[in-house]
Amino acid sequence: GQNIDQPTEMTATEGAIVQINCTYQTSGFNGLFWYQQHAGEAPTFLSYNVLDGLEEKGRFSSFLSRSKGYSYLLLKELQMKDSASYLCAVRGETGGFKTIFGAGTRLFVKA
Amino acid sequence: DGGITQSPKYLFRKEGQNVTLSCEQNLNHDAMYWYRQDPGQGLRLIYYSQIVNDFQKGDIAEGYSVSREKKESFPLTVTSAQKNPTAFYLCASTMGRGAGEQYFGPGTRLTVT
Repeated sequence: GQNIDQPTEMTATEGAIVQINCTYQTSGFNGLFWYQQHAGEAPTFLSYNVLDGLEEKGRFSSFLSRSKGYSYLLLKELQMKDSASYLCAVRGETGGFKTIFGAGTRLFVKA
Repeated sequence: DGGITQSPKYLFRKEGQNVTLSCEQNLNHDAMYWYRQDPGQGLRLIYYSQIVNDFQKGDIAEGYSVSREKKESFPLTVTSAQKNPTAFYLCASTMGRGAGEQYFGPGTRLTVT
């Protein structure tokens, strides 16, 4: 079966660093995405990894290990506005580039 | 401004009625998708379309129907056969036929009583 696992909730302090992990088991792999979703709003794209390693984009970084079926999203210098859900998603090789989404990790940033 | 629009944002219907959710994009994207989001669950794919006049069922297509008569438009009909239609519905699109990140519309929250 196909499955994406990520923690349900995390809490961190403003100014700190937080790492959100994602493990996946899919029938194919053609890239891993991270999206941010504020409550009641649409997801917005954060990062994309298709090769192993770290991709850095400002305060956000994403890491991928294809052999381990593992990714993480690293958020630095946390701000209150980073309180949101973070969705890990994997695009498989079959089915016309269908993307499978995890349930999301709700991040609470406290002062 | 390029983007995806969904209307309405909130929709209320009585059980047994069909309802159509609108999705329009002016990004010139080929692929479009419909997802359903329920509390505590990931986005689940209902239908997707890679080109005009062609679409495929996703993982939870039962009780839903779509059409893709124009590149810009991908309306979703929630029929009375859908057992649990109350949910947050998201439309998305991507460049090419599925490559790249997905751009999402603002969503429609459907409540059926």
